Amino acid sequence: EIVLTQSPVTLSLSPGERATLSCRASQSIDTYLAWYQQKPGQAPRLLIYLASTRATGIPTRFSGSGSGTDFTLTISSLETDDSAVYYCQQRSNWPPLTFGGGTKVEI
Amino acid sequence: DVQLEESGGGLVQPGGSLRLSCAASGFSVNNEYMNWVRQAPGKGLEWVSLIYRGGSTSYADSVKGRFTISRDNYKNTVYLQMNSLRAEDTAVYYCVRDREFDEYIFAFDLWGQGTVVTVSS
Repeated sequence: EIVLTQSPVTLSLSPGERATLSCRASQSIDTYLAWYQQKPGQAPRLLIYLASTRATGIPTRFSGSGSGTDFTLTISSLETDDSAVYYCQQRSNWPPLTFGGGTKVEI
Repeated sequence: DVQLEESGGGLVQPGGSLRLSCAASGFSVNNEYMNWVRQAPGKGLEWVSLIYRGGSTSYADSVKGRFTISRDNYKNTVYLQMNSLRAEDTAVYYCVRDREFDEYIFAFDLWGQGTVVTVSS
């Protein structure tokens, strides 16, 4: 089973700042990684798939990068609406489908 | 409208059973990979089960032998039969569509609003 480790656990930033979230896989997953955003009381929403492809309707301030074992989700200029927990998920070797533990972004 | 609507959650005693339903609209569940994902209170996301287009199924080790995923193509509905429930199964259960964007490229693109399952005496 591929284990995903996200860091930091919590990120506290101000509007307009840049957020950098990390996801590390226990073995190489090429670029088979997705990112999701979950706001309080809501279901998660797909942001990024294949490490860097934005899903439909996702603002351009969200970008993903990385390959192999190290991945990054960047929010270029934070808005208050970006307060949420962000999860990564590997799609390389499944099932099982595994998620990271999440990073909470506080603005 | 393309959407998923879960139902069937509730309070059940340890050892009991519950069946969750996920009604899909705007697409056919038999043309997609469909999943159940759960989230315990204050915790992260945990994948539970998957039903492939062909009808094969897969389960997380934590639920294998206790949970069964199935679908009814005529009702366009996916089910999760949960038996021998434990306190640690308490969670919000989400029904999720797994979209194939390209060959071997999948992601969870459509989520239901979730249904709450509480296992307690």
